Amino acid sequence: GNSVTQMEGPVTLSEEAFLTINCTYTATGYPSLFWYVQYPGEGLQLLLKATKADDKGSNKGFEATYRKETTSFHLEKGSVQVSDSAVYFCALTDRDDKIIFGKGTRLHILP
Amino acid sequence: KAGVTQTPRYLIKTRGQQVTLSCSPISGHRSVSWYQQTPGQGLQFLFEYFSETQRNKGNFPGRFSGRQFSNSRSEMNVSTLELGDSALYLCASSDYNRLAGGTDTQYFGPGTRLTVL
Repeated sequence: GNSVTQMEGPVTLSEEAFLTINCTYTATGYPSLFWYVQYPGEGLQLLLKATKADDKGSNKGFEATYRKETTSFHLEKGSVQVSDSAVYFCALTDRDDKIIFGKGTRLHILP
Repeated sequence: KAGVTQTPRYLIKTRGQQVTLSCSPISGHRSVSWYQQTPGQGLQFLFEYFSETQRNKGNFPGRFSGRQFSNSRSEMNVSTLELGDSALYLCASSDYNRLAGGTDTQYFGPGTRLTVL
């Protein structure tokens, strides 16, 4: 079945460091891919999305490119801030329109 | 537009009781999905309702049920609560309809944190 695998956390970085959170997926067809972020005590917020191969989603300095050949959707940011500390979820929508999430990656940014 | 709202935000129950959680979607959204979030299992899909009909269902026992009203508001019910039902229950809405188009982006509420003692 469809699934999403993302790197285990927690990931701890210093402020202004480069961030990569890996995400790979298994799916039939051409799912839409998402990154959601969950700040402490809150629900999930959509960070970015891509709906077809080679699309690049971007928002708030974060980027991810839909790579069909490697079935990946890695999240990157050039210079992280303390306020980026949160849990990040990679997700896809399958053919039944269900959204399938990865386990989440907790990110800690140190000042 | 107002976001997705969930009530109550916190709930404490004892084993064997039942509980009803409520979700009001973004105005105009007809799809409402429910998820259970726990530290061990992560985010798991419970079910989705669209125009008062259950469209998708996850792998949860029959103690978990839901419904959607004509105004798209949704309720989720858990009967005979178990300790393992302690979790954050998230509701999400979207305006996605595969036949009619729209977007498959889901917008989440803040969640209801259920503690079962």
